[in-house]
Amino acid sequence: AQSVTQLDSHVSVSEGTPVLLRCNYSSSYSPSLFWYVQHPNKGLQLLLKYTSAATLVKGINGFEAEFKKSETSFHLTKPSAHMSDAAEYFCVVSPPGSFQKLVFGTGTRLLVSP
Amino acid sequence: DTAVSQTPKYLVTQMGNDKSIKCEQNLGHDTMYWYKQDSKKFLKIMFSYNNKELIINETVPNRFSPKSPDKAHLNLHINSLELGDSAVYFCASSQSTGLAEKLFFGSGTQLSVL
Repeated sequence: AQSVTQLDSHVSVSEGTPVLLRCNYSSSYSPSLFWYVQHPNKGLQLLLKYTSAATLVKGINGFEAEFKKSETSFHLTKPSAHMSDAAEYFCVVSPPGSFQKLVFGTGTRLLVSP
Repeated sequence: DTAVSQTPKYLVTQMGNDKSIKCEQNLGHDTMYWYKQDSKKFLKIMFSYNNKELIINETVPNRFSPKSPDKAHLNLHINSLELGDSAVYFCASSQSTGLAEKLFFGSGTQLSVL
């Protein structure tokens, strides 16, 4: 079965410092992996996705993630945090099959202080 | 101009009542979804429709009945509401059912069953 584990429920950073949100996946096959962001009282928005092309994936708002098969990881990073980055971040895996049935991680709350 | 809109945004009701949540997308997408987000922020797919046809039904009680009158709409009707139904319900859509399709989410309906 496909699953993702987000290793931190909360991450706190100062504005201007790097962001690292960790995600490990479990998959019998080469998975499709995503990061979604949820701002307060909003729906989820896709940040980036990995689909077995380049292992370093660039997304919106300066975020990027690197697929590392040897470590079964797909960590999300950003060089410099902004206050507007404060939100809930979800790592997501798409199991193989004909239809999309995303499996979400439990989320990481990113807190950004001035 | 909202891509995926769902109504109402908040729904407070008594146990045993029947309620509906409506969802519409103006993106011309073929596929629509309902997701449930519990109090711990865990997101789980409930249903998916492709061109008005049910393609995913994830062990949801049959008190929940989705209806898709056309591919731009996917409504969710819930009979005999229970306390455990309290959650945030997200509607989403994607261009098709491809494995790595980007999902566009509505802003959610917070259901509180008293």
